[in-house]
Amino acid sequence: AQSVTQLGSHVSVSEGALVLLRCNYSSSVPPYLFWYVQYPNQGLQLLLKYTTGATLVKGINGFEAEFKKSETSFHLTKPSAHMSDAAEYFCAVSPATSGTYKYIFGTGTRLKVLA
Amino acid sequence: KAGVTQTPRYLIKTRGQQVTLSCSPISGHRSVSWYQQTPGQGLQFLFEYFSETQRNKGNFPGRFSGRQFSNSRSEMNVSTLELGDSALYLCASSPGTPGEGYTFGSGTRLTVV
Repeated sequence: AQSVTQLGSHVSVSEGALVLLRCNYSSSVPPYLFWYVQYPNQGLQLLLKYTTGATLVKGINGFEAEFKKSETSFHLTKPSAHMSDAAEYFCAVSPATSGTYKYIFGTGTRLKVLA
Repeated sequence: KAGVTQTPRYLIKTRGQQVTLSCSPISGHRSVSWYQQTPGQGLQFLFEYFSETQRNKGNFPGRFSGRQFSNSRSEMNVSTLELGDSALYLCASSPGTPGEGYTFGSGTRLTVV
C-alpha cells in the first residue's frame, strides 16, 4: 500500500531564508507526486506535480521540488521565504498505474515565517 | 474558467439531523472526490465519483453517502449526524485520469451541535 510521510508538522523559518519541507513516500512503483498549499479557511491549491520526465519540478510562487527515486523523496523548497508563504503544505501521491485514482495525502506541515 | 463551487460554505446542524452538501466541478471534469478534514485526522478520503459511478470509497460508515449527476455535479449526504462529524468537507474535481491532480473547492464547514 502507498503511504506518504511529511517530516515535521510545524516548520519555522525567517523571512528571506530557505524553505525546506520534507516528503517521503512508500510505493512499490514510483507514483505521481504532488504538493498542495492550504491557506486558512480555504481549500487546497496545487503548487506543483511530478509525473514523468525532469525530476526537478518548478511550481507557482517560486516553489520547486525534486523527485529522488533512490531516496523515495519529493522535498519542497523555496530559496527565500516570504511572509505570504505562511500556510499549511500537503504532499500527496497517486498511483501511476491505471485503475486506481485515489490520492493519498500526508498529514501536512504548517509553515510559519518569522519577520 | 470557473473554479470548483461548494455550497453552502458554513452549516450548523444538530446531532441526529442529516445534511446534504453540494459540489459543482470545473467544466469538463468528470471526477469528483470528497474529503473530510479535521485537525486530529487530517485529510481523510470519503469517496470518488466518475461519470455518475462511485469509483473509489474510503473507510467511512454508511451514514456517509454521495452521488453524481449527469452534469458531473455531486452531492454528499451525512445522515444521523454525530458531534465527531464536525469538519471541513472538501470537494476536489479532476479530469479523472492519473496524474492530473485535483482542483479543490473552498470547502463546507460543518458544525454539529
